[in-house]
Amino acid sequence: EVQLLESGGGLVQPGGSLRLSCAASGFTVSTYAMIWVRQAPGKGLEWVSDISGGGTTHFADSVNGRFSISRDKSNNTLYLQMNSLRAEDTAVYYCAKGGAGSGWSKYFFDYWGQGTLVTVSS
Amino acid sequence: DIQMTQSPSSLSASVGDRVTITCRASQGISNSLAWYQQKPGKVPKLLIYAASTLQSGVPSRFSGSGSGTDFTLTISSLQPEDVATYYCQKYNNAPVTFGPGTKVEIK
Repeated sequence: EVQLLESGGGLVQPGGSLRLSCAASGFTVSTYAMIWVRQAPGKGLEWVSDISGGGTTHFADSVNGRFSISRDKSNNTLYLQMNSLRAEDTAVYYCAKGGAGSGWSKYFFDYWGQGTLVTVSS
Repeated sequence: DIQMTQSPSSLSASVGDRVTITCRASQGISNSLAWYQQKPGKVPKLLIYAASTLQSGVPSRFSGSGSGTDFTLTISSLQPEDVATYYCQKYNNAPVTFGPGTKVEIK
């Protein structure tokens, strides 16, 4: 059974850092596209970053240069390192697993974690 | 970047009604479109991918169509458990982009 479990959220001051983790089970993180999506309170879904099975990464302009995405094969976990956090980064952060397929055809997301709340405030 | 729009932004319909939600891309995206359902306080759930392929386990009253720039999600007979916000997502290339969402309520 595929499961995704995020952790690492919390309250952080502006300018601070957090690392989110997404522990996966039931599949191998390094063989699928993975994505981080966030949802600010009362708002819609916003793509943050993705990483392909081959390791190619993409970032939203709003986080480019501040966030990084990585994964660890040894513990089958996806990460989102968030630096220089701003109030507008406050949101629930979801990780999700890409579908089957090749190239961009697999960048739809069939399993989602429960989300972890990041609050950036002084 | 390709922009995604959805219409309407919200709708209210009666149980048993046929409901149609439209998603439009600012440029052609072939059939690289997915639909998600997010119930209040819950995690997004994949309904449809490749514009018209129903995800396993999703009720058959949900269907998707379209290609290029114009896409639709149809609920053939609205049920109380379908109260949710529905998002489209394009994935033909980077950046992956979600539409702004359509909130569906029961009249």
